[in-house]
Amino acid sequence: KAGVTQTPRYLIKTRGQQVTLSCSPISGHRSVSWYQQTPGQGLQFLFEYFSETQRNKGNFPGRFSGRQFSNSRSEMNVSTLELGDSALYLCASSLDSWGTEAFFGQGTRLTVV
Amino acid sequence: LAKTTQPISMDSYEGQEVNITCSHNNIATNDYITWYQQFPSQGPRFIIQGYKTKVTNEVASLFIPADRKSSTLSLPRVSLSDTAVYYCLVEGAAGNKLTFGGGTRVLVKP
Repeated sequence: KAGVTQTPRYLIKTRGQQVTLSCSPISGHRSVSWYQQTPGQGLQFLFEYFSETQRNKGNFPGRFSGRQFSNSRSEMNVSTLELGDSALYLCASSLDSWGTEAFFGQGTRLTVV
Repeated sequence: LAKTTQPISMDSYEGQEVNITCSHNNIATNDYITWYQQFPSQGPRFIIQGYKTKVTNEVASLFIPADRKSSTLSLPRVSLSDTAVYYCLVEGAAGNKLTFGGGTRVLVKP
């Protein structure tokens, strides 16, 4: 079966702009989580959606938001981009979100200039 | 929130067993422990998950002592292709996946 697909793979944006990243989970998976990965901070949890509802949120400013659609596809949005938002953004899907294996996409590499 | 700590790096040789320990002192009762492997330019890949005692699958074993304040990932007979970063994750109930360890960079030498 197809894996988790994230688009685009690479993105370059200018400070102050906004960006939307997309994640298509594995068919049948209802939980989608988003993570930010940077060399300095490592892997940090952003938020998790289950059946179109945000169930958990990490410690990120309100500029970071997300949503999930009825087909479980998810998007995350970052507004008013800052240089420090440059990172690899990873999406993971799972059948449920607790005690089940999560499958990660290859990520979207965002560079803010 | 459970805070996880793991060694930054470790070296090994082909054919040896590699053991990586993760500390999670304030793990909650319902939290699971999951380990992931990550290669450069790829997303993390699930290795193994456990709640208590010992779990074994075809690629690794996970040892969790009774107090659950730490866990040890054991990779038997590593090969060069096992060179990667290994992450420990404490997963809370209802998807509260807040705490990844900093990752352990394992280098397997010939």
